Amino acid sequence: AQSVTQPDIHITVSEGASLELRCNYSYGATPYLFWYVQSPGQGLQLLLKYFSGDTLVQGIKGFEAEFKRSQSSFNLRKPSVHWSDAAEYFCAVGPSGGYNKLIFGAGTRLAVHP
Amino acid sequence: DSGVTQTPKHLITATGQRVTLRCSPRSGDLSVYWYQQSLDQGLQFLIQYYNGEERAKGNILERFSAQQFPDLHSELNLSSLELGDSALYFCASSSRTGSLMGTGELFFGEGSRLTVL
Repeated sequence: AQSVTQPDIHITVSEGASLELRCNYSYGATPYLFWYVQSPGQGLQLLLKYFSGDTLVQGIKGFEAEFKRSQSSFNLRKPSVHWSDAAEYFCAVGPSGGYNKLIFGAGTRLAVHP
Repeated sequence: DSGVTQTPKHLITATGQRVTLRCSPRSGDLSVYWYQQSLDQGLQFLIQYYNGEERAKGNILERFSAQQFPDLHSELNLSSLELGDSALYFCASSSRTGSLMGTGELFFGEGSRLTVL
């Protein structure tokens, strides 16, 4: 069955520190992979996506992610975290069941200390 | 602003009642998706419509139903509400083609927070 695992429920980092959020997926074919961010009281916003090609993808707000097929992973990274990055981050894989249906991970809540 | 509009933003109701959540997709998007976000279940896919037709069904209860109208807005109907239905309900829309080969992105509304007392 298709699934996404985000092993870390909560992560706390200091402002200016580097960040890596983990995402592992289970998918029967070549997946499309996404990272979304949800700020408090807001909907989900796409940070970046991977379809094919270069396995290191750049997104908005200085985020990047690397697709590693051998590890079934798509980890999100940022070299220097800003206080405004505090939010919940969701990894997603698709398509599932055809069309655009995405399977989301449980999310990782990021807290940033000044 | 994603361009997806959901109403109402907040809704408080009692068990056994029925509510309707409304979603207007981005201009030109033919696909509409409904997701439920709760603390214990996370983000769960409920149902997808494409140009008025149901295309995919997820973990949607029989007490819940949805439809997409000719003007492409969608409504999610929740009936015989239970305490456990309290959640944030998101609507998302995607590109006109309805395929991930398009923009590959779902555009989410800000959600409708349902509280069942």
